[in-house]
Amino acid sequence: QVQLVESGGGVVQPGRSLRLSCAASGFTFSSYGMHWVRQAPGKGLEWVAFILYDGSDKYYADSVKGRFTISRDNSKNTLYLQMNSLRAEDTAVYYCVKDREEELVLYSFENWGQGTLVTVSS
Amino acid sequence: DLQMTQSPSSLSASVGDRVTITCRASQSISNYLNWYQQKPGRAPKLLIYDASTLQSGVPSRFTGNGSETDFTLTISSLQPEDFATYYCQQRRTFGPGTKVDIK
Repeated sequence: QVQLVESGGGVVQPGRSLRLSCAASGFTFSSYGMHWVRQAPGKGLEWVAFILYDGSDKYYADSVKGRFTISRDNSKNTLYLQMNSLRAEDTAVYYCVKDREEELVLYSFENWGQGTLVTVSS
Repeated sequence: DLQMTQSPSSLSASVGDRVTITCRASQSISNYLNWYQQKPGRAPKLLIYDASTLQSGVPSRFTGNGSETDFTLTISSLQPEDFATYYCQQRRTFGPGTKVDIK
């Protein structure tokens, strides 16, 4: 079965950096677009970033554009989110999410990891 | 920019009740609308995609309808495990959520 396991969260000071990882298994990782979606404590869901199955295209929410970078290593079945210049408003649980169909950009979030908490605080 | 609204923001219901949640888009989105269920401390779960297609493994008491700007999620007979928050979503935009709790 599909498994997505995030890691790398923690407490970080404003302005610093953090890299999240997501280890994928149970499906052909290299065939699916992948997303990061976040949820601030007690708040709703916010889409953050997307990367195409082969890494050739990437999209970002305006709130993170220029600060966050999504990437993937298909040889390691791993998705990443490099987060720079972190702000208090980036505090959230970050979910790694698999899109629903191979090689397409559907924004249909079929499988989710358990999430990793990022807290930006001095 | 596309805006998604949901109503009500919360509701109280009893086991066995029929529950309907509404989602409205600020512009026409055809049938590109998904519904998710999220329980406290858990990741969201895809229930319905393309407005009315039931995701594999989701009970048939969940139905989705609508097109263009107006959509509904209906739970025909509320079960104890259905108490949760429900989100609609179109591409990069989520609705604010509807919390369903026990009356």
